Amino acid sequence: AQKVTQAQTEISVVEKEDVTLDCVYETRDTTYYLFWYKQPPSGELVFLIRRNSFDEQNEISGRYSWNFQKSTSSFNFTITASQVVDSAVYFCALRAYSGGGADGLTFGKGTHLIIQP
Amino acid sequence: DTGVSQNPRHKITKRGQNVTFRCDPISEHNRLYWYRQTLGQGPEFLTYFQNEAQLEKSRLLSDRFSAERPKGSFSTLEIQRTEQGDSAMYLCASSLQGDSNQPQHFGDGTRLSIL
Repeated sequence: AQKVTQAQTEISVVEKEDVTLDCVYETRDTTYYLFWYKQPPSGELVFLIRRNSFDEQNEISGRYSWNFQKSTSSFNFTITASQVVDSAVYFCALRAYSGGGADGLTFGKGTHLIIQP
Repeated sequence: DTGVSQNPRHKITKRGQNVTFRCDPISEHNRLYWYRQTLGQGPEFLTYFQNEAQLEKSRLLSDRFSAERPKGSFSTLEIQRTEQGDSAMYLCASSLQGDSNQPQHFGDGTRLSIL
């Protein structure tokens, strides 16, 4: 069974603060893929990043950075110098490759990020 | 923009009625997924197509639910004899065939409300 836990239901910070969204996953597969999606108030899920289980390099993209640690089964997401436009629900998702096809994504419950001006 | 398109955006119906939703994926994507999202939860996987073949169904997909993708392009999701618990946002996503880390691109969803 696969599971994604996002323990932070809601985070509220003031604009320009840094904020980290936590994601812990469970899977028995040795090959798996992790994703982060953003869901703004408009509702459409927007793909942000993917990472496979063999690549533990951290990644930075502008104000966004991701820290993947297999030892703790975590794939955390940090926004530096947050902006009001970052306000959204952020989902961490897992796809484990069992060799038989492309399974659907297993999502966490999401973290509602509120950036106050 | 030729992103994933879903129709209708909103559907309100009485309990017991049948409803059908449509999804048009990104044109070059041969994989198509359906998810359901309820308030305060992440999307839950329902079913998946590769071209016209339905390759996987979640146990969430009861026998009242049926999905088709007859020509490997657009897909429909039908719910028969709707129940209150079917109220949710129904999301469609598509992706390219390839290794399993191809990202899924989502549509805006169809919000279903059962009266």
